[in-house]
Amino acid sequence: QSVLTQAPSASGTPGQRVTISCSGSTSNIGSNTVNWYQQLPGTAPKLLIYSNNQRPSGVPDRFSGSKSGTSASLAISGLQSEDEADYYCAAWDDSLNGVLFGGGTKLTVL
Amino acid sequence: QVQLQESGPGLVKPSETLSLTCTVSGGSISTYYWTWIRQPPGKGLEWIGYIYYIGRTNYNPSLRSRVTISIDTSKNQFSLRLISVTAADTAVYYCARVNIAAPTPDAFDMWGQGTMVTVSS
Repeated sequence: QSVLTQAPSASGTPGQRVTISCSGSTSNIGSNTVNWYQQLPGTAPKLLIYSNNQRPSGVPDRFSGSKSGTSASLAISGLQSEDEADYYCAAWDDSLNGVLFGGGTKLTVL
Repeated sequence: QVQLQESGPGLVKPSETLSLTCTVSGGSISTYYWTWIRQPPGKGLEWIGYIYYIGRTNYNPSLRSRVTISIDTSKNQFSLRLISVTAADTAVYYCARVNIAAPTPDAFDMWGQGTMVTVSS
C-alpha cells in the first residue's frame, strides 16, 4: 500500500558512503518534510532524521538527509557494521491526511 | 528520560476486539501528540493513528471504521482499540511520541519496545 517507494535492498562495504532513496508525490514529499527511521534487527524503529535533514540528539553526523522535489535521500558515510538495519522513510500525506511510510530498505554491510 | 511501554493480550480471537495500553513514564503525557504504529511479521510499518493530549484524534483511513484511540492524562496512558479483527491484524504494535519540533505530527522520537499481537482462534 506504500506510495513512498524505496528500493528493497542496498549494500556497501565498511567505510563506504551509501545512499538510500525515497520517491513520493506532490501530496506527500512534494508538500511536506521527510523523516527517516532506522530499525535494527528485533528492535523498535529509531528516529534518525526529521524535517528532511535534522538529526535528533545522539544521532551521529555520519547520517544526513536531503530532499528535492518529490524525492528524498538518506546518506550514510563511513559505513559501519552496526549500520546494518532496515531504513524507512516517512512523510505526511495531504490527501490521506495522515502518515505514510515507505516500504523500507534493508541495508547490508558486506 | 521518557519511556513508553505497551501492554495487553498477545492473542485475540478473530472478530473480537484488540485492546492495548501505552504507559508513559519519566515525563508528562500532556503537551504532546501520541501515536500507534504496527508492523506485520516480516513487513513494513503502518501508521494507525494519533491522539493529542486534549483528546483530538486522527486515524489512517484504511482503519478508521474499526479503530479508536483514547487518552487518560491522570494515568499518563493512552490506548488503542481495534474491533472486528482478522488475521491481517496480526502484527507488532508500537506506541510512540510525536516530536514536538517537527512541522507535522509524523516524526516519532520516542518508541515503546512493541508488543506482538496474534489474531487466531
